[in-house]
Amino acid sequence: DAKTTQPTSMDCAEGRAANLPCNHSTISGNEYVYWYRQIHSQGPQYIIHGLKNNETNEMASLIITEDRKSSTLILPHATLRDTAVYYCIVRGRRYGNKLVFGAGTILRVKS
Amino acid sequence: GAVVSQHPSWVICKSGTSVKIECRSLDFQATTMFWYRQFPKQSLMLMATSNEGSKATYEQGVEKDKFLINHASLTLSTLTVTSAHPEDSSFYICSASPRGDTEAFFGQGTRLTVV
Repeated sequence: DAKTTQPTSMDCAEGRAANLPCNHSTISGNEYVYWYRQIHSQGPQYIIHGLKNNETNEMASLIITEDRKSSTLILPHATLRDTAVYYCIVRGRRYGNKLVFGAGTILRVKS
Repeated sequence: GAVVSQHPSWVICKSGTSVKIECRSLDFQATTMFWYRQFPKQSLMLMATSNEGSKATYEQGVEKDKFLINHASLTLSTLTVTSAHPEDSSFYICSASPRGDTEAFFGQGTRLTVV
């Protein structure tokens, strides 16, 4: 399995930036880092993905270190609705292009 | 983003009966769809890969005769839980990608309760 390591849980104040780290030290050169989140009792929601460059979209920013062994998902202004489990996943042909979910990080946004 | 729809959202069935769950890609074609299962307070576990026009490939430990997968068209995959038992009660989720190496989109999930 593509191995990633994430903290079990994190708290963030509403309105502040939420920075969620992920370690993926065994990532290969052609493998992507994907981030999804799951709000209780719903299907996972795609957030962002990247290969080696930093990426930004309307939801979040993804910062990937130069050696690609870790990354950080940034939610710039967290709201209560961002409370969810966030999954960092390495995806590539080595794993059949499957998305294999680890335990993820429970992010609690508090007012 | 692209839309993946599952039906039903929830189902209750009697032990020993079979239940079919549908997964549709509404605005794109998907040659591959994936089926997951999620137990309470656990992460998603990949069950199988559904391939249009060919047999599904199952992850280790998943019984192919119990979880029948059919991917008859580029927009529809079905998962049938045969002879369901209470331990099959779970949240079943499918996903599909417009192309194999882009982001995958997930359905809203189907909560199965076997009584």
